[in-house]
Amino acid sequence: EAGVAQSPRYKIIEKRQSVAFWCNPISGHATLYWYQQILGQGPKLLIQFQNNGVVDDSQLPKDRFSAERLKGVDSTLKIQPAKLEDSAVYLCASSSVGGGANVLTFGAGSRLTVL
Amino acid sequence: SQELEQSPQSLIVQEGKNLTINCTSSKTLYGLYWYKQKYGEGLIFLMMLQKGGEEKSHEKITAKLDEKKQQSSLHITASQPSHAGIYLCGADLGGGFKTIFGAGTRLFVKA
Repeated sequence: EAGVAQSPRYKIIEKRQSVAFWCNPISGHATLYWYQQILGQGPKLLIQFQNNGVVDDSQLPKDRFSAERLKGVDSTLKIQPAKLEDSAVYLCASSSVGGGANVLTFGAGSRLTVL
Repeated sequence: SQELEQSPQSLIVQEGKNLTINCTSSKTLYGLYWYKQKYGEGLIFLMMLQKGGEEKSHEKITAKLDEKKQQSSLHITASQPSHAGIYLCGADLGGGFKTIFGAGTRLFVKA
C-alpha cells in the first residue's frame, strides 16, 4: 500500500511570498488532515476534511492560509503572504475510521523556512 | 496542545535501561494514541487504547490507559538506540475524530 505523499519536501521563501504544499492521501481514506509542527512542539491541527468537505478549520489562520480538497482526494495547502512564524513542518495525514478507531497515516512532511 | 500534557519533555537514558513517558488529558478521553517520530520524518502509529485499564504491548513497548485519571503511560523495557526519537500522544477529545497531540517527549538513548 502506497503511503501519504507530500511535496515539496523542502521550501525556502522570503517573507510576504507565497507557497503551496500538496498532499496525496492513501487511496480510499475519506478523512484528510493538515498539521503544522513548529520546531520543538507537537503537531497543531490546521484543518480536517471529510471527503471534500471541511470538518474543522478553527485553527487555520484564514487571513493567510487556505486549503482545498478537490474531488475528495488530493489536497493543497497555501500560504499567502508568508510570515517568519510560518516556518515549520507541514504534515499531511489521512485516515479511514473503523471500529471507533481513527489511526492516522502521516506523510513525511514539507519543511518550510521563511527568511 | 495544552489539553494533552506530556512528561518528561526530554529524556536521556543509557542503553538497556527502562523508561516511562506520561500523557495526561484535561478532558475525557475517547481514544488515546501513541505515535513515534524520527527527526525529519512523519509520525508512525504505535498503539491505540480505548478502554480504561487497557494495556497493549508491541515488542518492548507497553502502553496503559487509566481512564479515571485521564492518563496514559508508555513504558519501554531495555531501551535500545533504535528507540530514540520523539514520542507523541494523541487523542480525540471532542469526538468527531479530531485528533490533537501533546508536545512530545524527546528520547535519547546512549549506547
